[in-house]
Amino acid sequence: DSGVTQTPKHLITATGQRVTLRCSPRSGDLSVYWYQQSLDQGLQFLIQYYNGEERAKGNILERFSAQQFPDLHSELNLSSLELGDSALYFCASSARLGGAELFFGEGSRLTVL
Amino acid sequence: GQNIDQPTEMTATEGAIVQINCTYQTSGFNGLFWYQQHAGEAPTFLSYNVLDGLEEKGRFSSFLSRSKGYSYLLLKELQMKDSASYLCATTSGTYKYIFGTGTRLKVLA
Repeated sequence: DSGVTQTPKHLITATGQRVTLRCSPRSGDLSVYWYQQSLDQGLQFLIQYYNGEERAKGNILERFSAQQFPDLHSELNLSSLELGDSALYFCASSARLGGAELFFGEGSRLTVL
Repeated sequence: GQNIDQPTEMTATEGAIVQINCTYQTSGFNGLFWYQQHAGEAPTFLSYNVLDGLEEKGRFSSFLSRSKGYSYLLLKELQMKDSASYLCATTSGTYKYIFGTGTRLKVLA
């Protein structure tokens, strides 16, 4: 158990819909990362937050947004969903910025039909 | 930007030694990481190198050459449970934590 909690574990929805994925980092970790992993693909970096502020952004689509709340949990919002958004979405946390081991949640598997 | 290359697949025999290579390009290098990921599961941390040289941790070792932008993960005494994807990752001065596409290792009996 990494200590990172992601909900929901599985989500099935239709094209055009909007979903919210939630992540609670390990106790004490200030940094949260979001990754997308499509079938048999690598981890694509989406966005990173540190203590409530956005610190780095990857190739995140405009239809996707995220935030980190004062209690340090984070949410990833995916809207106008397309079939290609079907993937495993991982959240990870670390104790500090850069040069730190990431602890991953079990992921949220999104299926868009 | 950051760019990471590693082989797509490798096959080795139980009990053998395998070396998985990773080359990278990044600005503001802040460390090289290796993670293991079993199919459908979350990645788990294996090793971290920030200085040149070899870091040994049990059956796993990781090497880094910053001047060459090169790292390798060495797995000794391979076991069937080592069949997994091995992900190389770097962090940069911009705090992006970027992963390579991973090397799928198959361990054969």
